[in-house]
Amino acid sequence: DTGVSQDPRHKITKRGQNVTFRCDPISEHNRLYWYRQTLGQGPEFLTYFQNEAQLEKSRLLSDRFSAERPKGSFSTLEIQRTEQGDSAMYLCASSLGAGADTQYFGPGTRLTVL
Amino acid sequence: AQSVTQLGSHVSVSEGALVLLRCNYSSSVPPYLFWYVQYPNQGLQLLLKYTTGATLVKGINGFEAEFKKSETSFHLTKPSAHMSDAAEYFCAVKPLEAAGNKLTFGGGTRVLVKP
Repeated sequence: DTGVSQDPRHKITKRGQNVTFRCDPISEHNRLYWYRQTLGQGPEFLTYFQNEAQLEKSRLLSDRFSAERPKGSFSTLEIQRTEQGDSAMYLCASSLGAGADTQYFGPGTRLTVL
Repeated sequence: AQSVTQLGSHVSVSEGALVLLRCNYSSSVPPYLFWYVQYPNQGLQLLLKYTTGATLVKGINGFEAEFKKSETSFHLTKPSAHMSDAAEYFCAVKPLEAAGNKLTFGGGTRVLVKP
């Protein structure tokens, strides 16, 4: 059983640099979610895809953030001109459907901006 | 907007003792309710969820939770704590309507198990 995978697991970058994270959902899951988790807090929703369509974005997703899911399979999250406040764990999840369907989470990418 | 409150950011229990983690939500319509566990440097794993039907829900690793509509609560319990239960636990909600897809999480409760 292949779960949700994320790459890289850790990323250290300097302020002002661009970073890109990848998420591979569980195959046949058509819904994919990105969340951000800062130290000592619960995850916060960033954005959501149904297949390749980005259907919802949080106000947390500033114009420096962009997410794609070009073929309805893997997704990328890019942060441009990183700031120290972007330091967090970025979690990806996928689900088969909506409603009460379980969202399965990947291990996360921990970003540290120096 | 929905919100989730977890009372107590840290809970310390002795091995073999009852684990009780509190979760209250604010929503005019009862949402779907979830409990997730997060071990250090790992993603979240679903413990259990409430959708409809029986209000007492059993999950993995001996955990269970009871949905109480009148109290807008979904507290998580385990009769006897094990050292492996040391982790952070998150309560989450999702609205019933089809357009609602995001999970809204509480702040989490970190459980420490003492030998």
